[in-house]
Amino acid sequence: LAKTTQPISMDSYEGQEVNITCSHNNIATNDYITWYQQFPSQGPRFIIQGYKTKVTNEVASLFIPADRKSSTLSLPRVSLSDTAVYYCLVGPAVSGSARQLTFGSGTQLTVLP
Amino acid sequence: DTGVSQDPRHKITKRGQNVTFRCDPISEHNRLYWYRQTLGQGPEFLTYFQNEAQLEKSRLLSDRFSAERPKGSFSTLEIQRTEQGDSAMYLCASSLVSVYNEQFFGPGTRLTVL
Repeated sequence: LAKTTQPISMDSYEGQEVNITCSHNNIATNDYITWYQQFPSQGPRFIIQGYKTKVTNEVASLFIPADRKSSTLSLPRVSLSDTAVYYCLVGPAVSGSARQLTFGSGTQLTVLP
Repeated sequence: DTGVSQDPRHKITKRGQNVTFRCDPISEHNRLYWYRQTLGQGPEFLTYFQNEAQLEKSRLLSDRFSAERPKGSFSTLEIQRTEQGDSAMYLCASSLVSVYNEQFFGPGTRLTVL
């Protein structure tokens, strides 16, 4: 499984756009990039997944450059409730290959008023 | 609520006692996973089931740990002769076989071993 590197922590203010970048230099051809969010005392929650270019859903956008060695999770206009740990994971999405999720230490995002 | 549920939410036990946790996955999900999370770290994979078959176990899962998923529905995780190092949050997740990296997590069981 590809190793990921992301900042330990980030601070932002309410209403700002937040971008969290994840490095995954040894990503494999069949790997997807997945982001999870975790609030204290809760299990992680799936946010978004992508393979290349840009993916957008109602919660976030995921930007993946052509070389796929990094990715950026973008959270538009954050609020205090977006304070959480964000995990970047890389692995194949196809059933039958790697099966478990490998979490790193994540990025603690703190949104300030 | 049709999400993943776990019981109990909190468990305090004395060293050497046995504990058992239960996980009820989303009903149509045939994969069920157990993870352990300690403070400041991301969840660590322990084991997973596809239907009733336990297909993989992490090296983290010592022989004091056992998991079952009878009939491919709920699952139990038992820890025998608990040690203080077992204190952690135990998370259960479920998914469809075809989208294993979109897992739905339960709220976890926080274990404290005194």
